[in-house]
Amino acid sequence: RKEVEQDPGPFNVPEGATVAFNCTYSNSASQSFFWYRQDCRKEPKLLMSVYSSGNEDGRFTAQLNRASQYISLLIRDSKLSDSATYLCAVNIGVTGTASKLTFGTGTRLQVTL
Amino acid sequence: DGGITQSPKYLFRKEGQNVTLSCEQNLNHDAMYWYRQDPGQGLRLIYYSQIVNDFQKGDIAEGYSVSREKKESFPLTVTSAQKNPTAFYLCASSLKGRISNQPQHFGDGTRLSIL
Repeated sequence: RKEVEQDPGPFNVPEGATVAFNCTYSNSASQSFFWYRQDCRKEPKLLMSVYSSGNEDGRFTAQLNRASQYISLLIRDSKLSDSATYLCAVNIGVTGTASKLTFGTGTRLQVTL
Repeated sequence: DGGITQSPKYLFRKEGQNVTLSCEQNLNHDAMYWYRQDPGQGLRLIYYSQIVNDFQKGDIAEGYSVSREKKESFPLTVTSAQKNPTAFYLCASSLKGRISNQPQHFGDGTRLSIL
């Protein structure tokens, strides 16, 4: 089983739709979680961190389910500009060490008119 | 403005040649990382460094070498021992925060191809 798994998609949704992605992780000791957005042939950019209580940033909501070992990203009112690949990243982390992340392979989202 | 600068943007390597990819950051971040991205495989960690003059192997270090002589610089050398170097190389950095909950921020990458 991979350490971090994502459905590769593509998820094709119409503009204005709500779409959700999940990301499962295998190591129960994982401590911090992030969502990144990657446009075609560009570098990943941090979208949001995922906090235990869940967090929201505009149209984006991230949640963590430790019992089932997954994180989710919900995008409301999808825009054409949301089309990208969304990568989840998980950090086992030990105090004082670098933030060694394991990335999923990404879920591709295509928002259409 | 602050950020992570990678150069060159495109690089071509001849058979048997070593090439060095540059990564510089002015974010005053403690930790720096090198990843390789191949289509359908996500990002794989090559090397990382938490502090000057110290670095650790990641998951796919064979055929690569790094140095960390200055806090702001973490160059990656792709040696001739790396038989399949064609990939998108990404450098990242982060603060070395408590419980390692600091996100990583990426440079805009170097695309390496074999001639």
